[in-house]
Amino acid sequence: DAGITQSPRHKVTETGTPVTLRCHQTENHRYMYWYRQDPGHGLRLIHYSYGVKDTDKGEVSDGYSVSRSKTEDFLLTLESATSSQTSVYFCAISESVRVETQYFGPGTRLLVL
Amino acid sequence: GQQVMQIPQYQHVQEGEDFTTYCNSSTTLSNIQWYKQRPGGHPVFLIQLVKSGEVKKQKRLTFQFGEAKKNSSLHITATQTTDVGTYFCAGRRNQGGKLIFGQGTELSVKP
Repeated sequence: DAGITQSPRHKVTETGTPVTLRCHQTENHRYMYWYRQDPGHGLRLIHYSYGVKDTDKGEVSDGYSVSRSKTEDFLLTLESATSSQTSVYFCAISESVRVETQYFGPGTRLLVL
Repeated sequence: GQQVMQIPQYQHVQEGEDFTTYCNSSTTLSNIQWYKQRPGGHPVFLIQLVKSGEVKKQKRLTFQFGEAKKNSSLHITATQTTDVGTYFCAGRRNQGGKLIFGQGTELSVKP
C-alpha cells in the first residue's frame, strides 16, 4: 500500500462544530484528493490539490474547505459540521497527470450528531 | 455534467458463478479505471483502459472498454469468496481531468 495515513480514523461530533481531517503522504506525489463515500453515491470528489497551495473544487465542495501548505499534508475542514456531512472520507494521491492511478488512504468515519 | 452510471448496484452469486458489472458514461471518456473495495476497506486500483475496444485480463477478471469509449465492463469468471467487495469504475473526460466514479457494484459470494 502507498504511504498514506488519515487522522482521525473515527470521529463523532456535534452539529455546528468545526472539524478538520488530515491526510498525510510519504510518496511525494503531486496530486491529492478528498472524496466522500455514501451508500448509493459511490465516491464523490470534494476538493483536490495539484501542488502546494494549489487547490480546486470538486463536485460536492459546498461546506468544505481545504489547505495544503506542504507537499505531504492535505487538510479538509468542515467549518460548521452538519448531519448531511456524516460520511466516510477518503484521501487519495496520484503521482502526475501522466500516471493517473489513485492510491487511497484508509478513510475517516465521521458522524455528525 | 459528466455522469458515470454503474449497474447493477448489488449482485449476489453462488461461488463458481460468473459476475459482470457494467459502466456507462454520458460522454466519451479518455480512459477508464476500475477499483475494488473490500468490506471495511479502501478502494484499490485494479486496471486502466485507454484504447477504444481494449480488452485486458487479470487472471479470472476481464475488463473491456467499448468502441465508442463510453462504456466498460468487468467480468469475473468462476467467482470465489475472495472476490467479495464493491467494484467501482471511474472515468475521465480528458487526460488530467477529474476522475468521476460510478456508484459501484457490491458483489457478495455465497460459498
